[in-house]
Amino acid sequence: DQQVKQNSPSLSVQEGRISILNCDYTNSMFDYFLWYKKYPAEGPTFLISISSIKDKNEDGRFTVFLNKSAKHLSLHIVPSQPGDSAVYFCAASVNFGNEKLTFGTGTRLTIIP
Amino acid sequence: GAVVSQHPSRVICKSGTSVKIECRSLDFQATTMFWYRQFPKQSLMLMATSNEGSKATYEQGVEKDKFLINHASLTLSTLTVTSAHPEDSSFYICSARDYRGPPEQFFGPGTRLTVL
Repeated sequence: DQQVKQNSPSLSVQEGRISILNCDYTNSMFDYFLWYKKYPAEGPTFLISISSIKDKNEDGRFTVFLNKSAKHLSLHIVPSQPGDSAVYFCAASVNFGNEKLTFGTGTRLTIIP
Repeated sequence: GAVVSQHPSRVICKSGTSVKIECRSLDFQATTMFWYRQFPKQSLMLMATSNEGSKATYEQGVEKDKFLINHASLTLSTLTVTSAHPEDSSFYICSARDYRGPPEQFFGPGTRLTVL
């Protein structure tokens, strides 16, 4: 039962353009969401998070949008840079992040120079 | 801040031997540590959650007698794969968080285990 889904296994974006990564979830109890970036053979690196009391959180080039009614969140990266090429995982938790994380299946983002 | 290290980064062992992987939080106190496993081109699968000073909580389907977890201090957790078999070959990643801080988990660099 995949409670967190990333339906696009891969995405290619031109350098300088906006990258939009999507994530859907089924468990309405989730109230805290995170995005991680992962390079091969390394651990994930935390990027940005959002609580269910918000619908947007921004940090530099990264913005996360949360649509609770649609059970959907997205990560926007603008402008995209070659170093952004990696696998991106969204994750969700209950109790405002104080419980275990449930990860999506990941989206491989490739930035084309 | 929020640096987590893992040791070793890769290990090759013979079938039937035991392997210990260490996870350390270097600049914060990790009240809770998590152990994950990742198969090629798949997501991270949570194996167990350990709180400092108490027994680990294992996810369904994870053998606690095979994957021994110890979280004896606020900066160190260990995962021991006992009597390793080739099917235990995988990428093992730990994460840590301090309940007194933000809810984000910070991950170690991972350990590649190959069982021959």
